[in-house]
Amino acid sequence: EVQLVESGGVVVQPGGSLRLSCAASGFTFDDYTMHWVRQAPGKGLEWVSLISWDGGSTYYADSVKGRFTISRDNSKNSLYLQMNSLRTEDTALYYCAKDMTFDIWGQGTMVTVSS
Amino acid sequence: QTVVTQEPSLTVSPGGTVTLTCASSTGAVTSGYYPNWFQQKPGQAPRALIYSTSNKHSWTPARFSGSLLGGKAALTLSGVQPEDEAEYYCLLYYGGAQHYVFGTGTKVTVL
Repeated sequence: EVQLVESGGVVVQPGGSLRLSCAASGFTFDDYTMHWVRQAPGKGLEWVSLISWDGGSTYYADSVKGRFTISRDNSKNSLYLQMNSLRTEDTALYYCAKDMTFDIWGQGTMVTVSS
Repeated sequence: QTVVTQEPSLTVSPGGTVTLTCASSTGAVTSGYYPNWFQQKPGQAPRALIYSTSNKHSWTPARFSGSLLGGKAALTLSGVQPEDEAEYYCLLYYGGAQHYVFGTGTKVTVL
């Protein structure tokens, strides 16, 4: 079964840091571009970042550029999102998604930035 | 800042047809924006329906179709079923800036 499972979401204070993980299974992970997408409570979807199959290319939404870093470890079939200088507006459910077609999504991990 | 606009809400009768649209603040949407469409029900992750304007995933019901219409991306639901009641999001790719932007979302009510 093709599956993505996110983890690492917690409550963190403004200015803090956090690393999210996404474990992939059921497909050849290093064949695909991967994305992070987030959704604030009661709001719409926001694309956050993408990383190419080999990690050689990364792109970010303006709202997170310079604060978030996407990475992957193909030997572990895992995707990561390092989140620094967190703000209250980063509070959201964070999803990982597979491929340029966004065909497979995880169930998300909740990040709450609050003092 | 690029904005992708969808109808906030649409209502359709069971068995009816409804078309959702997706407009870019930068101008006409073309196939080069690789429009994607997603369905999201409350408490669930989004589910991919359409990619690259009109291509369906293996699980996409035949009643869903994607197209370009009057400078916008469009998702048409034909023969709507009660289970189609959901929020629908489009997604456009902006190659020059190498980023994606989701639409504002359309809540479809089946009544």
